[in-house]
Amino acid sequence: TQLLEQSPQFLSIQEGENLTVYCNSSSVFSSLQWYRQEPGEGPVLLVTVVTGGEVKKLKRLTFQFGDARKDSSLHITAAQPGDTGLYLCAGGISNFGNEKLTFGTGTRLTIIP
Amino acid sequence: DAGVTQSPTHLIKTRGQHVTLRCSPISGHKSVSWYQQVLGQGPQFIFQYYEKEERGRGNFPDRFSARQFPNYSSELNVNALLLGDSALYLCASTAGGGVWFEAFFGQGTRLTVV
Repeated sequence: TQLLEQSPQFLSIQEGENLTVYCNSSSVFSSLQWYRQEPGEGPVLLVTVVTGGEVKKLKRLTFQFGDARKDSSLHITAAQPGDTGLYLCAGGISNFGNEKLTFGTGTRLTIIP
Repeated sequence: DAGVTQSPTHLIKTRGQHVTLRCSPISGHKSVSWYQQVLGQGPQFIFQYYEKEERGRGNFPDRFSARQFPNYSSELNVNALLLGDSALYLCASTAGGGVWFEAFFGQGTRLTVV
């Protein structure tokens, strides 16, 4: 059974601070995706990382895929109240049309103005 | 361009009833997956369909079934509803068939079983 452990589960910080969310697994994934989800809505895809060691930047967000493709991190610089939300990592397995995402439990982020 | 659309957005059912949820994928996408998200948890994989064939099934009872139509839209059916089936049901759409994929989700159907 593939499991993704996400930490921390809850994070509350002041506007302007930096933060890092971690996503760890003992399994290797074809890809790792990060989503942000608002209450009552579906997850919105932020980024997909595919290659071990890959780093992607999306404005103030930096995503990294571990060298062994088992773990990932999300770093936010100078957090803003608009960053508040539930962040989910999801490991993807793909095999000739068979596709499955395994989600972490999520990190609920609150940015205090 | 239209994203993944799900219907209905909200639904209230009584224990023992059945329910049908619908999903239309992004135009050109051939794979649809269904996920269940219980409050406070990450989504759990239920089914995946690609080219109208079931390609994956998660750890859910036989009360859950699904199908994909020739236009790649999909239905999720749940029979003999239990209180524990109350959740947000999410549909995800991918192009399908690649060595990796990007999944785009609909807004979900909030099912409440009373």
